[in-house]
Amino acid sequence: QSVLTQPPSVSGAPGQRVTISCTGSSSNIGAGHDVHWYQQLPGTVPKLLIYGDNNRPSGVPARFSGSKSGASAYLAITGLQAEDEADYYCQSYDSAAVLFGGGTKLTV
Amino acid sequence: QLQLQESGPGLVRPSETLSLTCTVSGGSISSTSYDWGWIRQPPGKGLDWIGSIYYTGSTFYHPSLTSRVTMSVDTSKNQFSLKLTSVTAADTAVYYCVRHAQDQNWFDPWGQGTLVTVSS
Repeated sequence: QSVLTQPPSVSGAPGQRVTISCTGSSSNIGAGHDVHWYQQLPGTVPKLLIYGDNNRPSGVPARFSGSKSGASAYLAITGLQAEDEADYYCQSYDSAAVLFGGGTKLTV
Repeated sequence: QLQLQESGPGLVRPSETLSLTCTVSGGSISSTSYDWGWIRQPPGKGLDWIGSIYYTGSTFYHPSLTSRVTMSVDTSKNQFSLKLTSVTAADTAVYYCVRHAQDQNWFDPWGQGTLVTVSS
């Protein structure tokens, strides 16, 4: 069981907006540690999607955005597209260990 | 463009040692801003950070694996390596090598991954 908790699955229709949550605690996200998000398309390597809570690497569409509040972080995807169907993982830091959330499967 | 490539046996017997090497191309492993790490993903499951190493050899490992993990770096070959001892079926996973940003702890890029199966 992951220290960072994500919903196992979320779904949305094309064009809609979805949000994926990542809930930690006062020793990781709540302590101010950065949160990052990765997208893993089916059968592929995870890809950095959001870093430093709300920054997008070059090439990542503006439809993807990150935010953080207290001990939770959020990944929002607007204008859902079929190619967004993937697993999404949050990641942070706690007590000298890097942590990943359990992952959320997005169905479009 | 920085690229990472894992290499090593795809099958390891229980109780033996898993050994993987990651070759970095398109950039120097001696960068002062980055560590180099290993992440694994059991079949059908999520991501687990194993540990990371700086080019000087300084390491930090996941607390749950400290007793079984050793990482090393060879700057002359632009490579870093992972050894995991006393493996069991629970260590069966795709193993990824990654570049690890020191300041914010994100991982990018990732190697293509290599499946290591622990079985007799």
